[in-house]
Amino acid sequence: NAGVTQTPKFQVLKTGQSMTLQCAQDMNHEYMSWYRQDPGMGLRLIHYSVGAGITDQGEVPNGYNVSRSTTEDFPLRLLSAAPSQTSVYFCASSYLPDRGDGEAFFGQGTRLTVV
Amino acid sequence: AQKITQTQPGMFVQEKEAVTLDCTYDTSDPSYGLFWYKQPSSGEMIFLIYQGSYDQQNATEGRYSLNFQKARKSANLVISASQLGDSAMYFCAMREGLYSGGGADGLTFGKGTHLIIQP
Repeated sequence: NAGVTQTPKFQVLKTGQSMTLQCAQDMNHEYMSWYRQDPGMGLRLIHYSVGAGITDQGEVPNGYNVSRSTTEDFPLRLLSAAPSQTSVYFCASSYLPDRGDGEAFFGQGTRLTVV
Repeated sequence: AQKITQTQPGMFVQEKEAVTLDCTYDTSDPSYGLFWYKQPSSGEMIFLIYQGSYDQQNATEGRYSLNFQKARKSANLVISASQLGDSAMYFCAMREGLYSGGGADGLTFGKGTHLIIQP
């Protein structure tokens, strides 16, 4: 019962480096999303996808890129890391919201530090 | 304006007491869903309870219940008989545009309440 799997759990980057945070789910959910969590704040939506080949921006998309080539995978790319991107990142998946509750299942989170 | 407001940054409660965590929301959409999540110190997000805007009855899940007052735009979480393991951050969240082809904009979260249960 894997659910939503994120890798890595921890990462330190230097300013300007790029990297990809991986997210995979095995529940056949159409909807996947990425959030960031900063101290004293709730989670904020970065990007989301309603199915393979379809992505869109959330509240804080700048500096991030996503793609959705399969139902299972939704990687998040940091193009050129900045200290402001130091945060905890969560991937989530659910059935499409119009099913009603659309409970979001979250991954374990990735703690990213940019120095 | 904030869409989700949690006015209690932190709370201390004695074990076995009931706890009410406040959440007010702001939306003009008639179809929306309200969620509560628990985040323990280990960091994972744990779904607790859900209330849809058209649900007639307050949602309940074991020791958790949601006191939904639609006219006041309030969705307070009630934890009965608190336990030491309830110590965590609690987040209220909302998804708008359900049943209307929307709702794909993700969840909007409040800033959370840090609950500490004391023995």
